[in-house]
Amino acid sequence: DAGITQSPRHKVTETGTPVTLRCHQTENHRYMYWYRQDPGHGLRLIHYSYGVKDTDKGEVSDGYSVSRSKTEDFLLTLESATSSQTSVYFCAISESPRDAGELFFGEGSRLTVL
Amino acid sequence: QKEVEQNSGPLSVPEGAIASLNCTYSDRGSQSFFWYRQYSGKSPELIMSIYSNGDKEDGRFTAQLNKASQYVSLLIRDSQPSDSATYLCAVNRLTGGGNKLTFGTGTQLKVEL
Repeated sequence: DAGITQSPRHKVTETGTPVTLRCHQTENHRYMYWYRQDPGHGLRLIHYSYGVKDTDKGEVSDGYSVSRSKTEDFLLTLESATSSQTSVYFCAISESPRDAGELFFGEGSRLTVL
Repeated sequence: QKEVEQNSGPLSVPEGAIASLNCTYSDRGSQSFFWYRQYSGKSPELIMSIYSNGDKEDGRFTAQLNKASQYVSLLIRDSQPSDSATYLCAVNRLTGGGNKLTFGTGTQLKVEL
């Protein structure tokens, strides 16, 4: 199994508070992704990274920011959480853009915004 | 029209039968296709990838791709209760901005004893 860990695994927070989710990999893969999964919507890409300090937006990036200061860590930040950001968040990694669809996922982080 | 469409199910099959899961996509420029399995409360796990028309077999799993008809399917032979999960179809297209991977919402499969 790919070495990907997410933290925290569960979090309950209040509207308007900042939240940071962490993804840590031990595979030295260049590409890292943050997805959210909601009923009826499937997995949707929030942001991705193609190298240290190199990030780009996905299809649902509004309200989220990311940072990647080391190859192994990819942080997702909700600056001011809203109830619409209640979701399960998955981090994923891939080895190259040629295999961009061959993703290895972390265990997920369940976020509830009250 | 959704970019990647799957019947949400549940699809119920008896143990030992063949389960057939289907996925259609709208973008004719799509180049690579993937099936993920997701157990309830767990993360998706890649089980098959297919890049060219035809069939690709891996153990009890066969992926079928027909680009002309824009569908991709997954057959599971000798279905087992442990195959009960949601199966996600994903379609990738290389754009000027890089790869675009789109997931369907998944089909729930139930294998009954």
